[in-house]
Amino acid sequence: DAGITQSPRHKVTETGTPVTLRCHQTENHRYMYWYRQDPGHGLRLIHYSYGVKDTDKGEVSDGYSVSRSKTEDFLLTLESATSSQTSVYFCAISEVGYEQYFGPGTRLTVT
Amino acid sequence: QQQVKQSPQSLIVQKGGIPIINCAYENTAFDYFPWYQQFPGKGPALLIAIRPDVSEKKEGRFTISFNKSAKQFSLHIMDSQPGDSATYFCAASIQGNKLVFGAGTILRVKS
Repeated sequence: DAGITQSPRHKVTETGTPVTLRCHQTENHRYMYWYRQDPGHGLRLIHYSYGVKDTDKGEVSDGYSVSRSKTEDFLLTLESATSSQTSVYFCAISEVGYEQYFGPGTRLTVT
Repeated sequence: QQQVKQSPQSLIVQKGGIPIINCAYENTAFDYFPWYQQFPGKGPALLIAIRPDVSEKKEGRFTISFNKSAKQFSLHIMDSQPGDSATYFCAASIQGNKLVFGAGTILRVKS
């Protein structure tokens, strides 16, 4: 998985609680991305980062925030989790913004 | 709004057959078209990608055909094997970032 780890790998949480997912890379790539994968939708971009402290919104950013204080770490936060955010979350990295390499994913269940 | 439409949703072929997965797009600004392969419980893996200035690209048993005028591209898998059974996603982007994915095709290769 191209030097990418995601934590936790599985999480069950209750509606209304905050949740933070972590993506860590050892490749020193500039770009990092968060996607969510749901049946029938493929993968959809939530947020991405093009450098430390530089982020931009994706297609489905409502209800999510991100932070990147170090090149190797990209955090995804659900401020107040809802059942519609039950999904599998994937982090991806890219050196120049084209070839994106994905991590192993985090399965999040919001009850 | 699905900017990249992928078909079929699922596909079953015999070993040695040539499965073909098709994708269509609307945004003529897209300039990068990758295909990803995903096995159950794993993150998507980049398989092959094409730019709109070429009509075909081959890498091993995988071929992308690209028709710019029709705004369509397809993946062909030559001499398919049971190990190719996976979900395949097409995607498109403008200058690499903000990948837009198709909904995916579940391929099963029967031995």
